[in-house]
Amino acid sequence: GENVEQHPSTLSVQEGDSAVIKCTYSDSASNYFPWYKQELGKRPQLIIDIRSNVGEKKDQRIAVTLNKTAKHFSLHITETQPEDSAVYFCAALKAYGNNRLAFGKGNQVVVIP
Amino acid sequence: DAGVIQSPRHEVTEMGQEVTLRCKPISGHNSLFWYRQTMMRGLELLIYFNNNVPIDDSGMPEDRFSAKMPNASFSTLKIQPSEPRDSAVYFCASSSGGYTDTQYFGPGTRLTVL
Repeated sequence: GENVEQHPSTLSVQEGDSAVIKCTYSDSASNYFPWYKQELGKRPQLIIDIRSNVGEKKDQRIAVTLNKTAKHFSLHITETQPEDSAVYFCAALKAYGNNRLAFGKGNQVVVIP
Repeated sequence: DAGVIQSPRHEVTEMGQEVTLRCKPISGHNSLFWYRQTMMRGLELLIYFNNNVPIDDSGMPEDRFSAKMPNASFSTLKIQPSEPRDSAVYFCASSSGGYTDTQYFGPGTRLTVL
């Protein structure tokens, strides 16, 4: 099955700087890649997703880029704010056939005021 | 809409006892997921229902775990007998179209098995 890995496990950034989290996946046929944000003690929430027919997607201060050749995708957060501090989970799915959404272990992002 | 509703929010039980977790998905959503989250293993999918039918239960750890969805507005996850290693946060999520539509998570049930 699909195997998703996230790096780095913990990332500290100064408020206002950018943060980048990278995920790698193993199945080249995967074609759907969501990112979830989980604040401390809260539920995971989808923040952005990308499908394999595009290389980049943006939504205000967040963006996701996909490199299908290298089998990795990254979350970019610009102008970080304290409320961006959370655990971010990436996932990958081969969206046909009986497959399951495979999650990475999560990245802890700490924004230092 | 109230979102996904889970109960109880916290459950403390003793090893060997039966535990039942409950979930009410968002009205109109046809897909329901049960996840388990621990520090060691991260977020794991346990089971996925579509139109009340279990589609993928390969993540259910063992026979002690069972899940049902008797109708479109209710699902249960049961652990019998419970063990300390089952201690985790259990999330229920629903979507309007399987994995590739946004999954909306409930607040979770924090289970502690002593």
